[in-house]
Amino acid sequence: ETGVTQSPTHLIKTRGQQVTLRCSSQSGHNTVSWYQQALGQGPQFIFQYYREEENGRGNFPPRFSGLQFPNYSSELNVNALELDDSALYLCASSFGGEGQPQHFGDGTRLSIL
Amino acid sequence: GENVEQHPSTLSVQEGDSAVIKCTYSDSASNYFPWYKQELGKRPQLIIDIRSNVGEKKDQRIAVTLNKTAKHFSLHITETQPEDSAVYFCAAYSGGGADGLTFGKGTHLIIQP
Repeated sequence: ETGVTQSPTHLIKTRGQQVTLRCSSQSGHNTVSWYQQALGQGPQFIFQYYREEENGRGNFPPRFSGLQFPNYSSELNVNALELDDSALYLCASSFGGEGQPQHFGDGTRLSIL
Repeated sequence: GENVEQHPSTLSVQEGDSAVIKCTYSDSASNYFPWYKQELGKRPQLIIDIRSNVGEKKDQRIAVTLNKTAKHFSLHITETQPEDSAVYFCAAYSGGGADGLTFGKGTHLIIQP
């Protein structure tokens, strides 16, 4: 069984730039959720994708957007990067989105200079 | 939206003793409550979860209890071992418009030899 994989591991960007993060879901899973984890905090829900459509969204601005592909992999795009966007971005996959167990990847550490 | 409070923020116990971490939630519609363990620099790992139609669940040295009336749930770890040292997060799922988990701020569990 293949677990959740994310790329890249680390990324350094400057304010105003755009970034794309990638996630491959665990085999057998069809739903992907993205979270932002600031240092010393719990993960915060960004959005969830199911059947290639956004299935729910947390309190994040529209410059955070995403995609899900037919193979259930997903991308998180962030435009107009701000210093506060520096965080660990975690992807979690599950089979279905309604309160199903979510399994996380190792995350992408994003630093904004 | 849902709000999850977690206590204590740091817990130090002697090896072999028990550890208890407590969480409260605000949304009475929440129906799924997972617990994650996150070691330094690693992914959050799902260690146990409970649904609202169950009051208690055990898995070897780990147990979770849920009190729906009081809207709180707890993680119990017995016979603690050095490898239990990590940050533990509770979370709640309430569904509705945002289909993600709401996490607590975490508890740093330190097992003293």
